[in-house]
Amino acid sequence: DTGVSQDPRHKITKRGQNVTFRCDPISEHNRLYWYRQTLGQGPEFLTYFQNEAQLEKSRLLSDRFSAERPKGSFSTLEIQRTEQGDSAMYLCASSPTWGGGYEQYFGPGTRLTVT
Amino acid sequence: AQTVTQSQPEMSVQEAETVTLSCTYDTSESNYYLFWYKQPPSRQMILVIRQEAYKQQNATENRFSVNFQKAAKSFSLKISDSQLGDTAMYFCAFMKHEVYSGGGADGLTFGKGTHLIIQP
Repeated sequence: DTGVSQDPRHKITKRGQNVTFRCDPISEHNRLYWYRQTLGQGPEFLTYFQNEAQLEKSRLLSDRFSAERPKGSFSTLEIQRTEQGDSAMYLCASSPTWGGGYEQYFGPGTRLTVT
Repeated sequence: AQTVTQSQPEMSVQEAETVTLSCTYDTSESNYYLFWYKQPPSRQMILVIRQEAYKQQNATENRFSVNFQKAAKSFSLKISDSQLGDTAMYFCAFMKHEVYSGGGADGLTFGKGTHLIIQP
């Protein structure tokens, strides 16, 4: 198949540790997005890639956050020196460039708990 | 920047009834897309329906339809003949249309969501 996959699905870490999440988009999609969703809220946009180029970053993406998409395929999101406020669901989505490219397909998310 | 407001945190209806979820948005953009996404419990977000702002005709997908009022910046979702499987969080979302990148190349701005419960 193939939908968007994310790994791991759940991550528990202690405050101050670094964590890295992976997203594998739908194979022919060259656009990839990261969002963060906290309990009771809608997802908030973090950053966007077209192929390997990171084209947009939200102000929510502090210096402790970094995202990469080295070969234009999978992407990683790293959080350094985690804080309790980083606890959230991290969602990845991908979209094609054809057909307007406006439909984003979401993965199942990685739920991060910082203790 | 744009904002999306969903004023109904939770709604509950009986199976087979019709329900309307409301959404308003604020933007200075003239070209944009609007979406309704569904997030079932512990499952991933899926697209329910989309509307291009330049189209006057309201979008329809089977039991789902929208009432798009551009001047009022309103975008409501109507679900007809509701089913138990419609129980989910529903998010209204906005996306700018980026002409120079072929369109659609932007992050989504979501509302806070409406928790819809379909009672048997």
